[in-house]
Order: sequence, then C-alpha cells, then structure tokens
Amino acid sequence: AQSVTQPDIHITVSEGASLELRCNYSYGATPYLFWYVQSPGQGLQLLLKYFSGDTLVQGIKGFEAEFKRSQSSFNLRKPSVHWSDAAEYFCAVVPVKAAGNKLTFGGGTRVLVKP
Amino acid sequence: DAGVTQSPTHLIKTRGQHVTLRCSPISGHKSVSWYQQVLGQGPQFIFQYYEKEERGRGNFPDRFSARQFPNYSSELNVNALLLGDSALYLCASSLIQNQGFGYTFGSGTRLTVV
Repeated sequence: AQSVTQPDIHITVSEGASLELRCNYSYGATPYLFWYVQSPGQGLQLLLKYFSGDTLVQGIKGFEAEFKRSQSSFNLRKPSVHWSDAAEYFCAVVPVKAAGNKLTFGGGTRVLVKP
Repeated sequence: DAGVTQSPTHLIKTRGQHVTLRCSPISGHKSVSWYQQVLGQGPQFIFQYYEKEERGRGNFPDRFSARQFPNYSSELNVNALLLGDSALYLCASSLIQNQGFGYTFGSGTRLTVV
C-alpha cells in the first residue's frame, strides 16, 4: 500500500543544535515530495519540494532536505535550530502519474526547542 | 496579495446538524482542495475541484460534499455531523490541476461538534 511514514512523533532539540526529521515513503515510483510546517492553530506552510534533479533541496527558513532514492527517504535538516522552529512538520507526497493533486501526508513530527 | 481565505475560523455545532465551510483561493488559482486534519494527525484529502468540476475524492462518506463556483471559490458541506467530524478543515489552492505545482493552504476552519 502507498504510504508516508514519519517515524518520530516528537523530537526535542536545544536551541542552536542541528535538527533532522525523517520521512520514508512507499510508492511504486518516486513521487513528488514536500515538507510543510504547521505552527499551533495555523495552516500549513510549504518549506521545500522535490520534483527531480539535484537530490539536495534548499528551502525557506534555512531548511534543506535530501532525497535518497535507494532508501525511499526525504529527510529534512536544519544546521542550527531557532526557538521559532518549534512547530509540527509534515512530509507529503503526490504520485507522479496520479490524476489531480492529492497530497498524502505523514503523521507529522512535533519539534520542541529547549532554550 | 491575499492568500487563501477560509471562513469561519472557528465554529461549534451540535451532532446531527449541517455545516458549510467556505474557501476563497488565491487570485488566479483555479484548483481548490479540501483536507481534514484531526487533532494529532496529518491532513487527509477530502476533495479536489478544478474548473468547477470534481477531480478527486478521498475516502469520506457521502455526508461530505463540496462545490466550486464560477469565481473559483468553494464550499465544503457536511451533513448529519458526528463527534468524529471535529477537526481542522484546510483548504488549499493551486494554479492548475496537475500534481507537483505549488499548493497554498489557508489557516483552516476549526470545527467542534458537541
């Protein structure tokens, strides 16, 4: 079955430390890949997306993600976390040959930032 | 430029009632999608509309319906509300129908069913 998995429900990181959020997908072919961030009570903001080409993708707010086809992964990273990065992060995919633009989301990872 | 606008931002309904949620897409965007986000979970796809036609439907009961108007705004209707319908309902607009192009989400409507 097609799915998106974010193995870590919660991650706590100290301000200034690095952050890595994991995302694995299970699809027949490489889908389009996205990372979104959601602050409490807010909608979703797109951080970055991968369609093809360079497997290291730069996004907003200092985030980057690396696509690894062999591992079916699209992990999100940030070298130095700021307190404002505390939020919930969602990995999402759209199958390349699917009709329409239905996003399938992972369950999310909640990031807590310690001072 | 205005982003995706959803109304109302919050509402409380009683079981069995009907609710209508509204979404105005970004100017020029012709595709609107609806998602349900239950607390603690990722959003789940409900509907996609493009050029006023339904182009995709998620695994939701027939109590859920939607439509898109000539100005590309959209309504999501839910009949016979259940407690389990309590969720954040998100609307996303995109320029065209095809996958991979940018989606912009609204801030959502928080529905509480009591």
